Formats: sequence, C-alpha cells, structure tokens
Amino acid sequence: GQQLNQSPQSMFIQEGEDVSMNCTSSSIFNTWLWYKQDPGEGPVLLIALYKAGELTSNGRLTAQFGITRKDSFLNISASIPSDVGIYFCAGDNFGNEKLTFGTGTRLTIIP
Amino acid sequence: GAVVSQHPSRVICKSGTSVKIECRSLDFQATTMFWYRQFPKKSLMLMATSNEGSKATYEQGVEKDKFLINHASLTLSTLTVTSAHPEDSSFYICSARVAVTYEQYFGPGTRLTVT
Repeated sequence: GQQLNQSPQSMFIQEGEDVSMNCTSSSIFNTWLWYKQDPGEGPVLLIALYKAGELTSNGRLTAQFGITRKDSFLNISASIPSDVGIYFCAGDNFGNEKLTFGTGTRLTIIP
Repeated sequence: GAVVSQHPSRVICKSGTSVKIECRSLDFQATTMFWYRQFPKKSLMLMATSNEGSKATYEQGVEKDKFLINHASLTLSTLTVTSAHPEDSSFYICSARVAVTYEQYFGPGTRLTVT
C-alpha cells in the first residue's frame, strides 16, 4: 500500500542535540499523527495535527502540519537517552478511516 | 486515557494450530479497530479494519479465511491466525480509533512465533 516518505531514515546524535525529521506525501491528508515506537512495543501517539499550518508542542516535541497538507515535520529539542526509538508519521483522511504510515526514522543517541 | 491492551504479548505455537489474539480498548469505546503486521525494521502494514457488529474489511493480499477477525463488542476485537505456518511468525499490533478525534491508539503488540 501507499507509504509516506520520511527522512532521514536514521539519525545518530549526541545527547542534548536538537533533532528534526520530516514526512512528505504525494497526496493530501486531513490529519497528521506522529508516533514513537520502542523495540518490541506498539507505537505511542506523540502529537496529533488537524489543521494545515498548525504548530503543536508536547514538552520538548514540536510538530507542524504543512500548509500544502502534503507534509509535516517533527522537532525534538535537547534530546535525552529515552528519545531513542523509531518515529513514524501517519496521515489520515476523514471518511477513509485508515492510517497511512511513514517509513520511519530511527533515532540513536551516541554516548 | 486511551489505553489499548493486547493479549497475549508473546505466543509460540506449532505449525497447523490456530492462535487467537485479543485487543481491548480499556477506557473508551471503539467502533473501529485495526490490525497491523510489522516485520523487523519495517513500518506497520495494515491487515484489516475491524468494525463492531459487522464483517471486517481486509486489505488487498490478506487472506480473510486465514486471519479471522471478530469485533463482538465496542471494546474487544480478536484476530485468529488459523492453521499457522512459520511464515506467519511476526509482530501483530492492533489499534483502536477514538470516534471524535480520529486518533488511533495502539496496543503493545503480540509476538507470534510458529515452529
């Protein structure tokens, strides 16, 4: 099925650094969701975005819904060890019900 | 709020047997639940959409007779892998959708190993 393109695929950073990742699509979505998945666990919802141009924060996380409705970014400020994991974006169209998932960004913190 | 549980978390079964996985929304009602499969280092692949009181909708390429889905109540959906084979070994994750916000909350996943 369709997937959203996430970049970068992986990131290796030092603790305390800021992180930025994005997600792009060839089609528009009405809702963008960002999830984090730890190994062997289900994804956990981080941020939900409902309006084009919307900028939403959740602690050290900030996400924006692109004005074209075809993209979104997620920023993490002052990274800490527990930020390690895989981050997925997901798009949803009302009436379609199904989420379209991104390819994932794997975040690793170098000691 | 918005907690989804799955049971069991891990299961090992022999080829040819059937395995049932339960997905429950603990603090909200979910008219729609979803079942995903995830291969190592890959994204989630939607298998089917489970609607309370009606038949599930399967994605293209997913065998409905092999992956039986029952959504008997507003808080429970089950996935039964029938006549399991080693290639069915995978990480199965369910999610439940909150009706008002359209947000999906995921269960912790079930690791199935078929020997």
